[in-house]
Parts: sequence; structure tokens; C-alpha cells
Amino acid sequence: AQRVTQPEKLLSVFKGAPVELKCNYSYSGSPELFWYVQYSRQRLQLLLRHISRESIKGFTADLNKGETSFHLKKPFAQEEDSAMYYCALLTGGFKTIFGAGTRLFVKA
Amino acid sequence: GAVVSQHPSRVICKSGTSVKIECRSLDFQATTMFWYRQFPKKSLMLMATSNEGSKATYEQGVEKDKFLINHASLTLSTLTVTSAHPEDSSFYICSARGVEGAGNIQYFGAGTRLSVL
Repeated sequence: AQRVTQPEKLLSVFKGAPVELKCNYSYSGSPELFWYVQYSRQRLQLLLRHISRESIKGFTADLNKGETSFHLKKPFAQEEDSAMYYCALLTGGFKTIFGAGTRLFVKA
Repeated sequence: GAVVSQHPSRVICKSGTSVKIECRSLDFQATTMFWYRQFPKKSLMLMATSNEGSKATYEQGVEKDKFLINHASLTLSTLTVTSAHPEDSSFYICSARGVEGAGNIQYFGAGTRLSVL
């Protein structure tokens, strides 16, 4: 079955603390994974994708095929990182499957 | 980055009427467009995938006759909610993906809040 699991609905951390948003996937083929973010009152937008292996706004995510995970990490959270984060899997049929989302709240 | 325009942003209609939502890719050609429905505090639920010039592919449980999708050009897709009922009230989001090789990135519209009275 093709599935994306984000186990945490809400994650609350203090400013400056490290943050990790978990994402696990289930897919028999070669996965292409993304993180999308939705800030308050804004549309959903791409944050990063695993094939780029880039760091965006201090966030990184590494694909771990052994653990079928694509966790999103940032060493020092900022208040402006507060948003809804969705992990997404692009299947071979070019359909994107989204996780349920994790709301990150960074406290001052 | 690429821009997807979705219109209207909000619509209120009477039960039994039909509502059309437009989704346009403004600065790129979208070979594939997607329509999602988002319930409060829930994730995006894919309703259908449409490719320009061909019939949309609907997800299981989504009524084709209820949610008509037309993808007439590489920059425009429309979703028509026919004979809307209160249970159709929701937040509808469109997304467009560019031509192959553009990174398989999806660009999202701002969404349409539909309220059926």
C-alpha cells in the first residue's frame, strides 16, 4: 500500500530548540519525497525535496530507505517556522500522496 | 516561482445550485492538474487528476457526475460542483504540475472556500 504517515499532529518547541518532524512512507517503488509547508493564511508551497539534497530556511531532510523515513529537521527553531508541514510521496503514477500534516508551533 | 491562480476564493451558494471553480497556471504550462478537498484540521484529500485534453481520473469514492472536471488547455482546469448540497461545503484546492522534467513539483492555488446553504 502507498501511504505517508506523520505521527504527530502537533509539535510544540521553544525558540532555539531543535525540531524534528517525523515522516514515514510505504511504497514498493523508488520514492520521491517532498516536504510542503503552509504558513498562516498562505497557500501550500514546496519547502524541499529529497532529490535536491538542499537546506531551505535551515531545514534539511534525509531519505532513509532502510527505515522508510524522511524526517524534517532544523537545529534551531524560529518563531517564523510555525506552520503546518506536510510530507508527500510522489508515486510512479505521478500521483502525490500527502501525510496528515504536523502543526509546528514555536514558542518565544 | 510558478504561480497558480484559483478563483473564486470564497463562494456561498444555495443548495441545488452549481458552482464552478477555476484554476489557472499563470506562468507555466501545466500538463497535470489536481483537485483536492480539505476538511477542517485534516489533510488534503485528492479528488481527481486531470491531464490536458483527456478525461479526469477520479479517486475512489468521488462522484464523477457530482464533481465535473474540465482541463481544456494547458493553463486552465475547472471544477464544477453540481447540485451542491450542504455536505459539499469544504475547502477545495487545486494544484498544477509543470511539464516533465520540471522537478515534479506541485504548485498550489490559494483554495476556494465553498459554503452551501
